[in-house]
Amino acid sequence: DVKVTQSSRYLVKRTGEKVFLECVQDMDHENMFWYRQDPGLGLRLIYFSYDVKMKEKGDIPEGYSVSREKKERFSLILESASTNQTSMYLCAMKGPGYNSPLHFGNGTRLTVT
Amino acid sequence: DQQVKQNSPSLSVQEGRISILNCDYTNSMFDYFLWYKKYPAEGPTFLISISSIKDKNEDGRFTVFLNKSAKHLSLHIVPSQPGDSAVYFCAASAYSGTYKYIFGTGTRLKVLA
Repeated sequence: DVKVTQSSRYLVKRTGEKVFLECVQDMDHENMFWYRQDPGLGLRLIYFSYDVKMKEKGDIPEGYSVSREKKERFSLILESASTNQTSMYLCAMKGPGYNSPLHFGNGTRLTVT
Repeated sequence: DQQVKQNSPSLSVQEGRISILNCDYTNSMFDYFLWYKKYPAEGPTFLISISSIKDKNEDGRFTVFLNKSAKHLSLHIVPSQPGDSAVYFCAASAYSGTYKYIFGTGTRLKVLA
């Protein structure tokens, strides 16, 4: 059974802090994704990675960076947290093969005060 | 520019009846379409998908229909059950060297007992 684990379910950080959101998958797959979910806006793609050290910007990368040093771990970094980054953050991994679904972690609810 | 649109933010259906959720897309390069279900404070769960070479895919109570000429897909749930009450997201994928999955804004389904 596919497992995508996000290290924290809830986080509260202060404005200006550097924030790390960690995501680990157990299937040795190449493609991993970070989304944020906001009411009325759906899931918006922040960054994705298709292999170790390889990354691409999604639709809303501003204020974020990512790190993929090992295949199983994909980290999202908020360089200087701001209140408009308060959101639900969702990590996902793509299954094998050409057409395969994304498998999501349980999400991290981040509040920036 | 929103490439995947769910124009109905919410839908209420009586238990036992059919639920129909709709999704429109604009990018003709999309070739794989998915539906996800999401409960509060959890990650999205994959429900069903369809490749662009098909026009229908069925899995138990869930059926997805794809109309490529209209750039429209729909999810039918028959019969609807109270446990189906959740937010449903449609998503679309295109491959252009890397995989990118774009989600709609979601439809909140409420199944009334």
